[in-house]
Amino acid sequence: QKEVEQDPGPLSVPEGAIVSLNCTYSNSAFQYFMWYRQYSRKGPELLMYTYSSGNKEDGRFTAQVDKSSKYISLFIRDSQPSDSATYLCAMSTGSGGYNKLIFGAGTRLAVHP
Amino acid sequence: DVKVTQSSRYLVKRTGEKVFLECVQDMDHENMFWYRQDPGLGLRLIYFSYDVKMKEKGDIPEGYSVSREKKERFSLILESASTNQTSMYLCASSSADTPIYGYTFGSGTRLTVV
Repeated sequence: QKEVEQDPGPLSVPEGAIVSLNCTYSNSAFQYFMWYRQYSRKGPELLMYTYSSGNKEDGRFTAQVDKSSKYISLFIRDSQPSDSATYLCAMSTGSGGYNKLIFGAGTRLAVHP
Repeated sequence: DVKVTQSSRYLVKRTGEKVFLECVQDMDHENMFWYRQDPGLGLRLIYFSYDVKMKEKGDIPEGYSVSREKKERFSLILESASTNQTSMYLCASSSADTPIYGYTFGSGTRLTVV
């Protein structure tokens, strides 16, 4: 079993839809949770991060962490064609001098006009 | 604009060749990483370095080596390329002050071994 599971999609939605992207994990020591966005032929870029449980909102994006269920989500409101990308979740325990990130496989999202 | 630059976007190499992938960052970051990205598998860590001349194995170091002679440059070496090393290779860097949140990735090198 992978430490981090993420549905690869693809997910296709109409413009304006609410998108829900999810990851599950098995390591209860994970404390730091991140979402990266990767456009085609580009490297991933950090979109949002949260520490421990709870919600975090940034414009149209909301990140949620439920540590009791080992489940994290990214919601995109009023989705736009420019949101079409691959979304990767990443996690870390935060322990040690080097903080290793464990990535999910990524979910490919297509938002069509 | 700060950046991580990977020297090649696309490379085609023959089986058995020695391959060098170069990565340069201009952010004075202490930490540098090499990942490979494959469909359905996500990003997997090959090697990382937290200081000049220091290196640590990641999850899949077999068949690879690295070199970090200068702080800004981190090279990935495929000693004898094989077809199962065909992949997208991503370099990243981060500061020792914000190691978890501050990853900056390059645009990647798509390597094909024939």
